[in-house]
Amino acid sequence: EDQVTQSPEALRLQEGESSSLNCSYTVSGLRGLFWYRQDPGKGPEFLFTLYSAGEEKEKERLKATLTKKESFLHITAPKPEDSATYLCAVQAGYSGGGADGLTFGKGTHLIIQP
Amino acid sequence: DGGITQSPKYLFRKEGQNVTLSCEQNLNHDAMYWYRQDPGQGLRLIYYSQIVNDFQKGDIAEGYSVSREKKESFPLTVTSAQKNPTAFYLCASSRARASGYEQYFGPGTRLTVT
Repeated sequence: EDQVTQSPEALRLQEGESSSLNCSYTVSGLRGLFWYRQDPGKGPEFLFTLYSAGEEKEKERLKATLTKKESFLHITAPKPEDSATYLCAVQAGYSGGGADGLTFGKGTHLIIQP
Repeated sequence: DGGITQSPKYLFRKEGQNVTLSCEQNLNHDAMYWYRQDPGQGLRLIYYSQIVNDFQKGDIAEGYSVSREKKESFPLTVTSAQKNPTAFYLCASSRARASGYEQYFGPGTRLTVT
């Protein structure tokens, strides 16, 4: 069974204080690892896709990295507008090659204080 | 603007009634998905469809039904057989039938059943 565990559950930082969020996963044949941002009462917003160990992607103050067992979302010099819940999800390999659903972690609730 | 539309944003029903949630996309995406989100839990897959007139059960399909008569539309019916229907429902789409493509989410419908 595919599993995704995110830590910490919640994180409170001061504005400008850099940190990292962790996503540990077990999956049979990783087809993709996805990071999303979700604001309260809204749908998740896509951030990154990572496909293989060693891959890195960046967008503004966010940088996502991937190893064979976990992914990190690094937040550099965060601002209050970066406050949100960050979700990690994996898509497993599928013998038919079809687009199966994603398996999500419970998310990390990030608060950036001014 | 291309995107995913879900309606209504809030929905209230009495126990024992069936209710249908709307999901429309104009992204020309092949695959569409329904997820359910409960407080403190990750998103869970209800149903997905890779092509018109075909769909597959996800992890928690019991008490739900779907149809995919048009590429743009993937309505979800929450039946009276669903034991705990109160939740935040999210529709998503992905551009290809193959795995590894990111999914884009709609704004969600919050269903309350009393």
